[in-house]
Amino acid sequence: GAGVSQSPSNKVTEKGKDVELRCDPISGHTALYWYRQRLGQGLEFLIYFQGNSAPDKSGLPSDRFSAERTGESVSTLTIQRTQQEDSAVYLCASSSVTGGGYEQYFGPGTRLTVT
Amino acid sequence: KQEVTQIPAALSVPEGENLVLNCSFTDSAIYNLQWFRQDPGKGLTSLLLIQSSQREQTSGRLNASLDKSSGRSTLYIAASQPGDSATYLCAPKMGGAGNKLTFGGGTRVLVKP
Repeated sequence: GAGVSQSPSNKVTEKGKDVELRCDPISGHTALYWYRQRLGQGLEFLIYFQGNSAPDKSGLPSDRFSAERTGESVSTLTIQRTQQEDSAVYLCASSSVTGGGYEQYFGPGTRLTVT
Repeated sequence: KQEVTQIPAALSVPEGENLVLNCSFTDSAIYNLQWFRQDPGKGLTSLLLIQSSQREQTSGRLNASLDKSSGRSTLYIAASQPGDSATYLCAPKMGGAGNKLTFGGGTRVLVKP
């Protein structure tokens, strides 16, 4: 595709339910990142995938958060037993690790509201 | 731990004025630095990427400078237009393993017609 795409664009869920967010990176980008932006706050790094290497999970806020990536394509971020503090915009980005100097390109985000 | 500060937090200027947005970071061992634009309710648009070996990078009316040793980057926007109204974010990437960006809080810009 032309850019990074994310789905759904908006998600409203009840506290305690599980949610799954999807990211489709730019074709050929081997690196994929998830960030979170809570209302009135800056972007926080969550997790980074690069090829077949073990992901960098250092930003995941709790064990309720997990993410998977199939090869160098789609990634899903799963939040189990959602809490109100999980309400945020979840942004995905991808980059090439050759030539382009790791420039990150972002998707439009998924706005998650936990009621 | 890298910390990024952007000053001012908000800026309002009349159309046609030049904009100067400042970014400072605490750890100078960066690999590169990106400047982004974020429109309300939207994702981030990459404006400029400046490598650690570069002093500046230009794209149209945008110019970003980098003083790595002092931990500073400045984004200049010439002849501002109402369409430049947005939040501008700077994000350095550290060298070595790991490619995450660390974001500043952003500068919210309003260009008045």
